Amino acid sequence: QLQLQESGPGLVKPSETLSLTCTVSGGSVSSSYYWAWIRQPPGKGLEWIGRISFSGTTYYNPSLKSRVTISQDTSKSQFSLKLTSVTAPDTAVYYCARQEVSYLSFDLWGRGTLVIVSS
Amino acid sequence: DIQMTQSPSSVSASVGDRVTITCRASQGIGNWLDWYQQKPGKAPNLLIYAASSLQGGVPSRFSGSGSGTDFTLTITSLQPEDFATYFCQQTNNFPLTFGGGTKVEI
Repeated sequence: QLQLQESGPGLVKPSETLSLTCTVSGGSVSSSYYWAWIRQPPGKGLEWIGRISFSGTTYYNPSLKSRVTISQDTSKSQFSLKLTSVTAPDTAVYYCARQEVSYLSFDLWGRGTLVIVSS
Repeated sequence: DIQMTQSPSSVSASVGDRVTITCRASQGIGNWLDWYQQKPGKAPNLLIYAASSLQGGVPSRFSGSGSGTDFTLTITSLQPEDFATYFCQQTNNFPLTFGGGTKVEI
């Protein structure tokens, strides 16, 4: 059964770069899906960060576009998120998710990882 | 960006009740609307896609309707495991955006 698992530091200092990896287990990074990052500040709603396709095409939320990079390593069945110049409002639970290409629904999610931005 | 507005923000209900949650888009999105359920400390779980299609494995007491700008999620005969927060999301335009959530409480 396909599973997604986020990994990376749980604490990042202000102005530094947040780096997270999502590992796809029980399967591979397939061309039938997009692979996305979504975040949720504590007690708040969900914010779409961006996605990458199997071919490597990326789309980012314009509100974060200048600071975000999503990349993938299909040989390792992984995709990654980098968010530069973080500040306290970037504190959130970060989820990786699989996005179905026809309806664009997020049909499989990782468990999420809390990243706190603090000195 | 398309703004998604959910109402109510919270609702108190009892087991067996019928609950209806609404989601309004700031512009027409066709039927490009999904509904998710999120329990505390867990990732969201897809319930409904394309406004009215039930995701596999989701109980039939969940249903979705609407098109254009106005959508509803209905839970008939609320079960104990349904107490959670529900989010709508539009997939018509980038950036993809979510509603603020509706918490269904006992």
